[in-house]
Amino acid sequence: DAKTTQPPSMDCAEGRAANLPCNHSTISGNEYVYWYRQIHSQGPQYIIHGLKNNETNEMASLIITEDRKSSTLILPHATLRDTAVYYCIVVTQGGSEKLVFGKGTKLTVNP
Amino acid sequence: KAGVTQTPRYLIKTRGQQVTLSCSPISGHRSVSWYQQTPGQGLQFLFEYFSETQRNKGNFPGRFSGRQFSNSRSEMNVSTLELGDSALYLCASSLGLAIGELFFGEGSRLTVL
Repeated sequence: DAKTTQPPSMDCAEGRAANLPCNHSTISGNEYVYWYRQIHSQGPQYIIHGLKNNETNEMASLIITEDRKSSTLILPHATLRDTAVYYCIVVTQGGSEKLVFGKGTKLTVNP
Repeated sequence: KAGVTQTPRYLIKTRGQQVTLSCSPISGHRSVSWYQQTPGQGLQFLFEYFSETQRNKGNFPGRFSGRQFSNSRSEMNVSTLELGDSALYLCASSLGLAIGELFFGEGSRLTVL
């Protein structure tokens, strides 16, 4: 079973920030939070990951709460091409557990 | 740097047949994992290989099998195909075992008639 909970769908206006939440209340100290997205009929694409601190790259920002029980992926200026299913997963780096993807959040960016 | 390559991209089989799908990981990546994706069940983990050994296995029947070669290329096989095996089969590679940064291929779309 997935260790994360995400809303099934969200909408966002083009040009506005998209904030996608993820709950991972049972996360352990050595588990990282990873985000992927999957545009229709393509393979999932890695976006960003983090352990404790907030992270930013050219695609997005990741905000992790201090207790690490939830996180938010932020797409600062959403475009129509950001319409996709976004997956949040938790991973023990180099561990023996399989990576489990939940249902994800279907983000629709509207013009 | 070439990405993950999966072949064939599309294929149609009939019930009872078997199928073999191939995955070439990114050069230098030693771990290959396979996922099945269907509209109803989403992305489901099949198995993960590292250094030619299966390290993890998902909850799929024994009809689903795989292997990894010394050059890290991987194949998966599904025998005695059923209608429910129709899905997008995705392969992902990573530098090591259970590393979260996976690089996915475009997938092999299998239709079973």
